[in-house]
Amino acid sequence: ETGVTQTPRHLVMGMTNKKSLKCEQHLGHNAMYWYKQSAKKPLELMFVYNFKEQTENNSVPSRFSPECPNSSHLFLHLHTLQPEDSALYLCASSQETGYYGYTFGSGTRLTVV
Amino acid sequence: DAKTTQPPSMDCAEGRAANLPCNHSTISGNEYVYWYRQIHSQGPQYIIHGLKNNETNEMASLIITEDRKSSTLILPHATLRDTAVYYCIVLAENSGGSNYKLTFGKGTLLTVNP
Repeated sequence: ETGVTQTPRHLVMGMTNKKSLKCEQHLGHNAMYWYKQSAKKPLELMFVYNFKEQTENNSVPSRFSPECPNSSHLFLHLHTLQPEDSALYLCASSQETGYYGYTFGSGTRLTVV
Repeated sequence: DAKTTQPPSMDCAEGRAANLPCNHSTISGNEYVYWYRQIHSQGPQYIIHGLKNNETNEMASLIITEDRKSSTLILPHATLRDTAVYYCIVLAENSGGSNYKLTFGKGTLLTVNP
């Protein structure tokens, strides 16, 4: 366990389904991140939150909707996904003020059928 | 635009030292060199970071050249469990704005062979 917990570990969903990914950390970090890693590609930063406020959206399609109710929890709501959205989705957290090291969760392996 | 250059792959014999190079010729004075690794299908794991002095921790050593244009991550006694993709990243601390984002390249796939 890294201190960042992601659930579920694996998810299979149809293109018309609505599902949510959950990330939780109790490291006292104030910044949280969603990354996407498609097969044989580098990690792509999707969203950044600082103190519950979204500070970055890297041109992510609206079928991905993040939510950060507090500094310890981060969600990624999914709806009307495409098969090409199948990937490993990783959550990370860090201290807000500058960089003190990112801690990553183990990820959710998403398959869209 | 890539700020670091790493070989796509390397091999190492189990028990031997693994030396992973990274070029960062455009590094700025306030940018640190960070190393992460990602074991297959897991989240990346922080290894070590440094500014200009060599650093060592329980996982690895980081050697940064005097001109800071390149560095080497050293795993002193590689094991099979060290097989992973290793990422070299340059990042400024306490700079706020966009610089705090951890941006990953393709890294080096290190394969430790028995």
